[in-house]
Amino acid sequence: GAVVSQHPSRVICKSGTSVKIECRSLDFQATTMFWYRQFPKQSLMLMATSNEGSKATYEQGVEKDKFLINHASLTLSTLTVTSAHPEDSSFYICSASLSSRSRTDTQYFGPGTRLTVL
Amino acid sequence: RKEVEQDPGPFNVPEGATVAFNCTYSNSASQSFFWYRQDCRKEPKLLMSVYSSGNEDGRFTAQLNRASQYISLLIRDSKLSDSATYLCVVNRQDSNYQLIWGAGTKLIIKP
Repeated sequence: GAVVSQHPSRVICKSGTSVKIECRSLDFQATTMFWYRQFPKQSLMLMATSNEGSKATYEQGVEKDKFLINHASLTLSTLTVTSAHPEDSSFYICSASLSSRSRTDTQYFGPGTRLTVL
Repeated sequence: RKEVEQDPGPFNVPEGATVAFNCTYSNSASQSFFWYRQDCRKEPKLLMSVYSSGNEDGRFTAQLNRASQYISLLIRDSKLSDSATYLCVVNRQDSNYQLIWGAGTKLIIKP
């Protein structure tokens, strides 16, 4: 099946620093990539949807200036958490879709990145 | 009210037993339904889709009740490896096929 990787898998940083998370589709071209955040014991929350070559679409309540998304190619999307604060500590998961309609049976998840902001 | 609601559990079940979870969803425009499994600190993995007629995959049976807007998952002959959090997911056609996730039901299978 299709493989999606994320890097880094875990990051610990000081408050105020920026953290970049990469999401790559390894053996397919992803039309659409999604970024989710999951706090402990809570559901995954979609943060934004990014299509290659265009601006990301952010969900309500997600600050686009704080969570910068770049989808420069069909195999790479990056999420940068700018000026991270302890409340940004979470599990960030990306997924990649073969279809612009993002049906879940064509959505493949990365292994996630655990961010801890001190 | 949450769009997708699940009993958080945990469900503590002896090995070999049958266990069932339900999930309710609020948006009648929902088109597709899924159960995902998530192990601790890992990404979710698709367990099975849920079809209107109900469907079975080995020890797992999923059912959909559109009238009452709930989805169920039945696990028979539970194994220790079934211990995980089970996430109910709904895909809404009226929202660019956005996935709406339940918070999950934690299942612990005990020997």
